[in-house]
Amino acid sequence: GAGVSQSPRYKVTKRGQDVTLRCDPISSHATLYWYQQALGQGPEFLTYFNYEAQPDKSGLPSDRFSAERPEGSISTLTIQRTEQRDSAMYRCASSLLAGGTTGELFFGEGSRLTVL
Amino acid sequence: SQQGEEDPQALSIQEGENATMNCSYKTSINNLQWYRQNSGRGLVHLILIRSNEREKHSGRLRVTLDTSKKSSSLLITASRAADTASYFCATDAINFGNEKLTFGTGTRLTIIP
Repeated sequence: GAGVSQSPRYKVTKRGQDVTLRCDPISSHATLYWYQQALGQGPEFLTYFNYEAQPDKSGLPSDRFSAERPEGSISTLTIQRTEQRDSAMYRCASSLLAGGTTGELFFGEGSRLTVL
Repeated sequence: SQQGEEDPQALSIQEGENATMNCSYKTSINNLQWYRQNSGRGLVHLILIRSNEREKHSGRLRVTLDTSKKSSSLLITASRAADTASYFCATDAINFGNEKLTFGTGTRLTIIP
């Protein structure tokens, strides 16, 4: 696609529910990132993919968080049994390069999650 | 955890003045990048400087990198109201097979018309 697309843009859920966020990166981009951004803070790294491989998921806050990119393109971030502290903006970004060094990241508009 | 830390946290200047913000980081890097974020929007890439470069220019932007001090600065010359945004540095730490990009805490820049 022309840019990185994230859905939904806004999600309100009740505590304890599962949510899945979707990211559709720029086609041909090898690397895909997920970040969590609290209001007024910088993006916090969650995990990233090189194609379908997931070299680093050390930023995922707990085992309730998981991400997939099964075919090396679209990715999903799933949060199980949501808690109020999970409320944040979740940002996806993609990059053309894979391995060795990072290049410019292209960000989507984000998915704002509110857990009541 | 954040790899980089920007300084100052907030900066207000008059339109037309120059704005300088700094970034310090902790580990050896492949490259350092600067991004801008307008209120609540997605981040936009501004400039990338590699570890073997010391200075880079792009339009009204000038970035320096001092790897011995593990620091970088972003200078915006002749500021405009449209430059009002948050600015983040991001580093690509050297870690074979895992070169992820991590962001700093940001500088909130306000340009006063």
